[in-house]
Amino acid sequence: GQNIDQPTEMTATEGAIVQINCTYQTSGFNGLFWYQQHAGEAPTFLSYNVLDGLEEKGRFSSFLSRSKGYSYLLLKELQMKDSASYLCALPGGYSSASKIIFGSGTRLSIRP
Amino acid sequence: DGGITQSPKYLFRKEGQNVTLSCEQNLNHDAMYWYRQDPGQGLRLIYYSQIVNDFQKGDIAEGYSVSREKKESFPLTVTSAQKNPTAFYLCASIDRDGPDTQYFGPGTRLTVL
Repeated sequence: GQNIDQPTEMTATEGAIVQINCTYQTSGFNGLFWYQQHAGEAPTFLSYNVLDGLEEKGRFSSFLSRSKGYSYLLLKELQMKDSASYLCALPGGYSSASKIIFGSGTRLSIRP
Repeated sequence: DGGITQSPKYLFRKEGQNVTLSCEQNLNHDAMYWYRQDPGQGLRLIYYSQIVNDFQKGDIAEGYSVSREKKESFPLTVTSAQKNPTAFYLCASIDRDGPDTQYFGPGTRLTVL
């Protein structure tokens, strides 16, 4: 089976840096996704990690350690519009009938 | 423009009535999904379909039904058997040519009165 743990809520200051952690257990690893979801809207894709290390994409970076079952999303130069929930997700892959399991999400609040 | 559409954005129904939520995609994706999201919660998988005329139950399929008669369409019916149907419903599809990245529709917020 699969299991994902994320902190429920975090608060950070505009202009600062925040790291959102995700730990997981899975019987077969096929990569890890991060999604952003603003209140009342659909999730939007942020990143996909399948190899260990850091992937940087503008103000957002995502890190993966497969041996530790651990990932984090790093947000730099925080803006008020970054206030949203951030979802960690594990794809099952085609052999697992393509089920994608989502964590409960971390609700990030940015204060001025 | 390619994408996933869900209609309507907001839907109100009386308790005991069945209601069908539409999901259409023109991305030529084979796999489609329905999720339910309750306030402050993550996404829970209701049903998914990997190919036309085939679908499988997700984690919370009780009280729901689906059909997949066309590749582009994957409607979800919320039946009167669903005990707590008020929720935000999201439809998604997967691009098999990429790393299974899911594309989501805008969602339908169903309120049962």
